Amino acid sequence: KAGVTQTPRYLIKTRGQQVTLSCSPISGHRSVSWYQQTPGQGLQFLFEYFSETQRNKGNFPGRFSGRQFSNSRSEMNVSTLELGDSALYLCASSLSGQGYEQYFGPGTRLTVT
Amino acid sequence: AQSVTQLDSQVPVFEEAPVELRCNYSSSVSVYLFWYVQYPNQGLQLLLKYLSGSTLVKGINGFEAEFNKSQTSFHLRKPSVHISDTAEYFCAQRAGRRALTFGSGTRLQVQP
Repeated sequence: KAGVTQTPRYLIKTRGQQVTLSCSPISGHRSVSWYQQTPGQGLQFLFEYFSETQRNKGNFPGRFSGRQFSNSRSEMNVSTLELGDSALYLCASSLSGQGYEQYFGPGTRLTVT
Repeated sequence: AQSVTQLDSQVPVFEEAPVELRCNYSSSVSVYLFWYVQYPNQGLQLLLKYLSGSTLVKGINGFEAEFNKSQTSFHLRKPSVHISDTAEYFCAQRAGRRALTFGSGTRLQVQP
């Protein structure tokens, strides 16, 4: 099976812009989660989607949003970018979410200048 | 709230020596535990998982971990490390339907 794919792999944006990141889960996986990884804060949970519904949400401002489509593909959007949003954004998929291991994509490296 | 504590931020070790990376989790009625490895400029790769059953869990690349409920620990071990094991290792916990919570990571540095 193909793994989790994320596009784009690298992105450079300017403060104030918005960005959309895409994630395609492993075939058959219905749960997609997003994480932000930075040197200072480590791995922080953003949100989790299951069957197009947001099931969990982390402690991030409303500028961070996401959605999941009927084919389980997911997107996350960050509006009004700030310098502190520079990070590696990781997407992970799992069969159902509860208890099942998550499989991670390679991430999208976002740099905000 | 869930919390995962990785007790060592860096662990230097010589090649072919044994290693233990320590992890403590917060207690919960039902908890699922994982170890992930991250190589530079890559995503996270699952090493092993504990869902239930045997407390000794074997994973990929010769790693194993032991679930200890009384000490709320889930330490990762390898009897003999290789240079290629140099990476960052993350312990993670999931309780019920809650989100996966990661520790701060341990950088394993294998020296020749």
